[in-house]
Amino acid sequence: DADVTQTPRNRITKTGKRIMLECSQTKGHDRMYWYRQDPGLGLRLIYYSFDVKDINKGEISDGYSVSRQAQAKFSLSLESAIPNQTALYFCATSAEWVHEQFFGPGTRLTVL
Amino acid sequence: GQQLNQSPQSMFIQEGEDVSMNCTSSSIFNTWLWYKQDPGEGPVLLIALYKAGELTSNGRLTAQFGITRKDSFLNISASIPSDVGIYFCAGLNQGGSEKLVFGKGTKLTVNP
Repeated sequence: DADVTQTPRNRITKTGKRIMLECSQTKGHDRMYWYRQDPGLGLRLIYYSFDVKDINKGEISDGYSVSRQAQAKFSLSLESAIPNQTALYFCATSAEWVHEQFFGPGTRLTVL
Repeated sequence: GQQLNQSPQSMFIQEGEDVSMNCTSSSIFNTWLWYKQDPGEGPVLLIALYKAGELTSNGRLTAQFGITRKDSFLNISASIPSDVGIYFCAGLNQGGSEKLVFGKGTKLTVNP
């Protein structure tokens, strides 16, 4: 079984809709991250959480929010989706003080 | 924000050839990581480097942590078709926050 799972894997939605992407991990890691990937731009950090009570903005947090429901779960929400949020979204985890991050399989989101 | 310069942006090689790619930074890094991303999947960690000058191998892959701590190299020997994908470097800035900085990736194409 995959250590980091993301649901859904693909989603098509319309402008203005609220969308939630979910991430779960069985690695027992404290730290979780949400990234966005666009062609030619690499991976950009949206939000990150170092433990259940900790939430931090990344470099491109505008238009997004997150919730850390438990050590194993970290969800990303788009309150009102817009077309330029069309991208691949990845969740990642890492252990405390260990910088190696492990990625989920990604969610391909299309906003029409 | 902090940027990593990864080159080349893309490579087209013949099966059996060796490949070399690199990442450079304007500041000192404490950690260098190399990831590979297959189409439609999340990045997978290949090699982690933690000490200046460190040279680490993983099968046909070899990565080095530059002695200046501002660069890292990844070499692939005797390439095979399944080496196709995007290779990302990532690093942790000395004295910075506990967040990885990613390069924009090198897209590798291997012709049989």
